[in-house]
Amino acid sequence: DGGITQSPKYLFRKEGQNVTLSCEQNLNHDAMYWYRQDPGQGLRLIYYSQIVNDFQKGDIAEGYSVSREKKESFPLTVTSAQKNPTAFYLCASSYSGQTEAFFGQGTRLTVV
Amino acid sequence: AQSVTQLGSHVSVSEGALVLLRCNYSSSVPPYLFWYVQYPNQGLQLLLKYTTGATLVKGINGFEAEFKKSETSFHLTKPSAHMSDAAEYFCAVSGPSNTGKLIFGQGTTLQVKP
Repeated sequence: DGGITQSPKYLFRKEGQNVTLSCEQNLNHDAMYWYRQDPGQGLRLIYYSQIVNDFQKGDIAEGYSVSREKKESFPLTVTSAQKNPTAFYLCASSYSGQTEAFFGQGTRLTVV
Repeated sequence: AQSVTQLGSHVSVSEGALVLLRCNYSSSVPPYLFWYVQYPNQGLQLLLKYTTGATLVKGINGFEAEFKKSETSFHLTKPSAHMSDAAEYFCAVSGPSNTGKLIFGQGTTLQVKP
């Protein structure tokens, strides 16, 4: 089945650690996105990529990094510089030139 | 800049009653508009979208929305609520430059009472 797979579903991080969230899609979409969701704040864009080896910062990129070495993969690293990383993270993808985004099931990150 | 405002963070209806979730947007260019639904601890699922053409858009699960340019609104409705409709609903507008980047409202939690 075509879709977007995020892993792991739940992730725990100690203070000062970097963690990487995985996002893989087999929809042959050119564009991929990372959003952060906090209660009552909707979804806020962290990073997005329209083509391989290129990506742009979103509204809240500080403390995060990404790579886009393959069309189907867009991993997100939450670095120790992110002061409040506990949140629900959603990955999405879409065809370039179209605006409908498809979402993964999310990763819930908790700092312990 | 584009933005979306959802009026009411929580809406409660009785089963069988009309569902109305409000969304207003601002955009300097013709918008593409979307409604998504999210169940607890899951991703977002597209309910319906407006791009061009007919202003009344029908989606899945009996939902529909009407694009009203003069009111800059895209309200979501369903004639008769079902218990399974209880979820969080997000309105979104497409970003500039046709990047596919979505700008979301704050979300509305729909409660359905038996």
